[in-house]
Amino acid sequence: EAQVTQNPRYLITVTGKKLTVTCSQNMNHEYMSWYRQDPGLGLRQIYYSMNVEVTDKGDVPEGYKVSRKEKRNFPLILESPSPNQTSLYFCASSLNFGPNTEAFFGQGTRLTVV
Amino acid sequence: GENVEQHPSTLSVQEGDSAVIKCTYSDSASNYFPWYKQELGKRPQLIIDIRSNVGEKKDQRIAVTLNKTAKHFSLHITETQPEDSAVYFCAAYTSGTYKYIFGTGTRLKVLA
Repeated sequence: EAQVTQNPRYLITVTGKKLTVTCSQNMNHEYMSWYRQDPGLGLRQIYYSMNVEVTDKGDVPEGYKVSRKEKRNFPLILESPSPNQTSLYFCASSLNFGPNTEAFFGQGTRLTVV
Repeated sequence: GENVEQHPSTLSVQEGDSAVIKCTYSDSASNYFPWYKQELGKRPQLIIDIRSNVGEKKDQRIAVTLNKTAKHFSLHITETQPEDSAVYFCAAYTSGTYKYIFGTGTRLKVLA
Protein backbone atom coordinates (compact mmCIF):
# COMPACT_ATOMS: atom_id res chain seq x y z
CA GLU A 1 0.00 0.00 0.00
CA ALA A 2 1.33 3.42 -1.00
CA GLN A 3 1.76 5.49 2.10
CA VAL A 4 3.66 8.04 4.16
CA THR A 5 4.46 6.79 7.64
CA GLN A 6 5.38 8.98 10.59
CA ASN A 7 6.57 7.89 13.99
CA PRO A 8 5.75 8.37 16.73
CA ARG A 9 2.07 9.36 16.53
CA TYR A 10 2.15 10.96 19.97
CA LEU A 11 5.09 12.29 21.95
CA ILE A 12 5.39 14.15 25.23
CA THR A 13 8.86 15.43 26.04
CA VAL A 14 10.63 17.96 28.23
CA THR A 15 12.23 21.21 27.21
CA GLY A 16 15.72 20.76 25.83
CA LYS A 17 15.63 17.01 25.24
CA LYS A 18 16.59 16.28 21.64
CA LEU A 19 14.05 14.31 19.63
CA THR A 20 13.55 12.99 16.12
CA VAL A 21 10.30 12.39 14.30
CA THR A 22 10.72 9.93 11.46
CA CYS A 23 9.00 10.05 8.09
CA SER A 24 9.17 7.37 5.43
CA GLN A 25 7.44 7.02 2.06
CA ASN A 26 7.27 3.96 -0.19
CA MET A 27 6.23 5.70 -3.42
CA ASN A 28 9.68 6.69 -4.70
CA HIS A 29 8.69 10.34 -4.39
CA GLU A 30 11.31 13.00 -4.95
CA TYR A 31 9.72 15.81 -2.97
CA MET A 32 9.14 15.65 0.78
CA SER A 33 8.22 18.32 3.30
CA TRP A 34 7.32 18.93 6.92
CA TYR A 35 4.43 21.06 8.15
CA ARG A 36 3.18 22.07 11.53
CA GLN A 37 -0.52 22.64 12.16
CA ASP A 38 -1.65 25.05 14.83
CA PRO A 39 -5.18 26.29 15.59
CA GLY A 40 -6.03 29.37 13.55
CA LEU A 41 -2.76 29.21 11.62
CA GLY A 42 -3.38 26.31 9.27
CA LEU A 43 -0.49 24.33 7.82
CA ARG A 44 2.87 26.06 7.80
CA GLN A 45 5.86 24.58 6.04
CA ILE A 46 8.97 23.94 8.14
CA TYR A 47 11.43 22.40 5.66
CA TYR A 48 11.28 20.71 2.31
CA SER A 49 13.51 18.51 0.19
CA MET A 50 13.59 18.34 -3.58
CA ASN A 51 15.66 15.14 -3.61
CA VAL A 52 18.41 13.29 -1.78
CA GLU A 53 20.83 15.69 -0.09
CA VAL A 54 18.79 18.71 -1.23
CA THR A 55 16.89 20.49 1.53
CA ASP A 56 15.69 24.04 2.07
CA LYS A 57 13.87 26.15 4.63
CA GLY A 58 10.14 26.67 4.54
CA ASP A 59 8.29 29.45 6.32
CA VAL A 60 8.96 28.44 9.95
CA PRO A 61 12.33 26.62 10.11
CA GLU A 62 13.65 28.04 13.39
CA GLY A 63 14.39 25.35 15.96
CA TYR A 64 14.22 22.47 13.46
CA LYS A 65 16.65 20.47 11.36
CA VAL A 66 16.12 17.88 8.66
CA SER A 67 18.19 15.49 6.60
CA ARG A 68 17.62 13.55 3.39
CA LYS A 69 20.25 10.86 3.14
CA GLU A 70 17.93 8.42 1.42
CA LYS A 71 15.07 9.09 -0.95
CA ARG A 72 12.44 7.40 1.23
CA ASN A 73 13.29 9.01 4.60
CA PHE A 74 13.02 12.59 5.77
CA PRO A 75 13.41 12.88 9.56
CA LEU A 76 12.58 16.05 11.50
CA ILE A 77 15.00 16.85 14.31
CA LEU A 78 14.37 19.13 17.25
CA GLU A 79 17.77 19.68 18.87
CA SER A 80 16.44 21.55 21.90
CA PRO A 81 12.63 21.49 21.95
CA SER A 82 10.75 24.36 23.55
CA PRO A 83 7.07 24.65 24.57
CA ASN A 84 6.29 26.81 21.51
CA GLN A 85 7.06 23.77 19.37
CA THR A 86 4.07 21.96 20.85
CA SER A 87 2.04 21.27 17.73
CA LEU A 88 0.65 18.70 15.30
CA TYR A 89 3.28 17.81 12.70
CA PHE A 90 2.69 16.37 9.24
CA CYS A 91 5.14 14.96 6.78
CA ALA A 92 4.12 14.98 3.12
CA SER A 93 5.56 13.64 -0.10
CA SER A 94 4.84 14.04 -3.80
CA LEU A 95 6.22 12.51 -6.96
CA ASN A 96 7.93 15.75 -7.85
CA PHE A 97 6.97 19.36 -7.42
CA GLY A 98 4.74 21.34 -9.69
CA PRO A 99 1.15 21.95 -10.71
CA ASN A 100 -1.13 18.93 -10.52
CA THR A 101 1.23 17.09 -8.19
CA GLU A 102 -0.74 15.70 -5.28
CA ALA A 103 0.84 15.84 -1.83
CA PHE A 104 0.35 12.69 0.27
CA PHE A 105 0.35 13.33 4.00
CA GLY A 106 1.44 11.12 6.84
CA GLN A 107 -0.94 10.43 9.71
CA GLY A 108 0.53 13.17 11.89
CA THR A 109 2.59 13.41 15.07
CA ARG A 110 1.18 15.25 18.04
CA LEU A 111 4.08 16.68 20.01
CA THR A 112 3.81 18.21 23.46
CA VAL A 113 6.83 19.93 25.00
CA VAL A 114 6.55 20.63 28.73
CA GLY B 1 5.61 37.50 1.80
CA GLU B 2 2.99 35.50 0.00
CA ASN B 3 -0.11 34.55 1.91
CA VAL B 4 -3.50 32.95 1.42
CA GLU B 5 -6.51 34.21 3.34
CA GLN B 6 -9.38 31.78 3.89
CA HIS B 7 -12.93 32.53 5.02
CA PRO B 8 -14.93 31.69 6.95
CA SER B 9 -13.05 29.96 9.74
CA THR B 10 -16.15 28.00 10.72
CA LEU B 11 -19.27 27.22 8.73
CA SER B 12 -22.41 25.39 9.77
CA VAL B 13 -25.00 24.30 7.22
CA GLN B 14 -28.08 22.11 7.26
CA GLU B 15 -27.79 18.77 5.53
CA GLY B 16 -28.72 19.17 1.89
CA ASP B 17 -27.74 22.84 1.72
CA SER B 18 -24.73 24.20 -0.14
CA ALA B 19 -21.47 25.38 1.40
CA VAL B 20 -18.99 27.87 -0.02
CA ILE B 21 -15.47 28.49 1.22
CA LYS B 22 -13.43 31.35 -0.19
CA CYS B 23 -9.69 31.97 -0.47
CA THR B 24 -7.71 34.98 -1.63
CA TYR B 25 -4.07 34.76 -2.62
CA SER B 26 -1.48 37.48 -2.82
CA ASP B 27 1.02 36.26 -5.44
CA SER B 28 -0.35 37.02 -8.90
CA ALA B 29 2.08 34.42 -10.32
CA SER B 30 0.37 31.57 -8.41
CA ASN B 31 -0.77 28.99 -10.93
CA TYR B 32 -2.13 25.96 -9.08
CA PHE B 33 -4.75 25.78 -6.34
CA PRO B 34 -5.51 22.52 -4.53
CA TRP B 35 -8.09 21.93 -1.82
CA TYR B 36 -7.50 19.47 1.01
CA LYS B 37 -10.02 17.90 3.37
CA GLN B 38 -9.00 16.87 6.87
CA GLU B 39 -11.45 14.74 8.82
CA LEU B 40 -11.21 14.76 12.59
CA GLY B 41 -7.97 13.11 13.73
CA LYS B 42 -6.91 12.23 10.20
CA ARG B 43 -4.46 13.45 7.62
CA PRO B 44 -5.28 16.06 4.96
CA GLN B 45 -6.29 14.58 1.61
CA LEU B 46 -6.62 16.21 -1.78
CA ILE B 47 -10.23 16.53 -2.93
CA ILE B 48 -10.04 18.82 -5.93
CA ASP B 49 -7.63 21.21 -7.60
CA ILE B 50 -7.55 23.79 -10.37
CA ARG B 51 -4.89 25.31 -12.58
CA SER B 52 -4.72 28.98 -13.40
CA ASN B 53 -5.72 28.47 -17.04
CA VAL B 54 -9.10 27.04 -16.00
CA GLY B 55 -12.02 29.00 -14.55
CA GLU B 56 -14.04 26.16 -13.03
CA LYS B 57 -13.72 22.47 -12.30
CA LYS B 58 -16.35 20.04 -11.02
CA ASP B 59 -16.24 16.60 -9.48
CA GLN B 60 -19.68 15.30 -8.54
CA ARG B 61 -20.90 17.45 -5.61
CA ILE B 62 -17.79 19.59 -5.31
CA ALA B 63 -16.56 22.35 -7.57
CA VAL B 64 -13.85 24.96 -7.51
CA THR B 65 -13.96 28.33 -9.24
CA LEU B 66 -11.05 30.66 -9.91
CA ASN B 67 -11.07 34.39 -10.56
CA LYS B 68 -7.51 35.32 -11.55
CA THR B 69 -8.25 39.02 -11.85
CA ALA B 70 -9.49 39.23 -8.28
CA LYS B 71 -6.99 36.60 -7.12
CA HIS B 72 -9.54 34.47 -5.37
CA PHE B 73 -10.82 30.94 -5.65
CA SER B 74 -13.70 29.16 -3.98
CA LEU B 75 -14.79 25.66 -3.03
CA HIS B 76 -18.46 24.84 -3.54
CA ILE B 77 -20.09 21.78 -2.00
CA THR B 78 -23.68 21.07 -3.00
CA GLU B 79 -26.20 18.76 -1.30
CA THR B 80 -24.03 18.57 1.79
CA GLN B 81 -23.97 15.38 3.81
CA PRO B 82 -22.80 14.66 7.39
CA GLU B 83 -19.64 13.04 6.03
CA ASP B 84 -18.67 16.38 4.50
CA SER B 85 -18.02 17.64 8.05
CA ALA B 86 -14.28 18.31 8.24
CA VAL B 87 -11.66 21.03 8.08
CA TYR B 88 -10.96 22.24 4.55
CA PHE B 89 -7.70 23.89 3.51
CA CYS B 90 -7.04 25.82 0.36
CA ALA B 91 -3.51 26.30 -0.95
CA ALA B 92 -1.70 28.23 -3.63
CA TYR B 93 1.40 27.20 -5.53
CA THR B 94 3.72 29.34 -7.62
CA SER B 95 6.08 27.74 -10.11
CA GLY B 96 9.70 28.09 -9.02
CA THR B 97 8.96 28.57 -5.32
CA TYR B 98 8.81 24.84 -4.50
CA LYS B 99 6.23 25.28 -1.77
CA TYR B 100 2.54 25.56 -1.16
CA ILE B 101 1.05 28.36 0.90
CA PHE B 102 -1.93 27.07 2.83
CA GLY B 103 -4.93 28.96 4.08
CA THR B 104 -5.82 28.83 7.76
CA GLY B 105 -8.61 26.29 7.29
CA THR B 106 -12.42 26.22 7.50
CA ARG B 107 -14.21 23.92 9.89
CA LEU B 108 -17.41 22.80 8.15
CA LYS B 109 -20.20 21.28 10.19
CA VAL B 110 -23.12 19.69 8.41
CA LEU B 111 -26.10 19.50 10.72
CA ALA B 112 -28.44 16.53 10.27
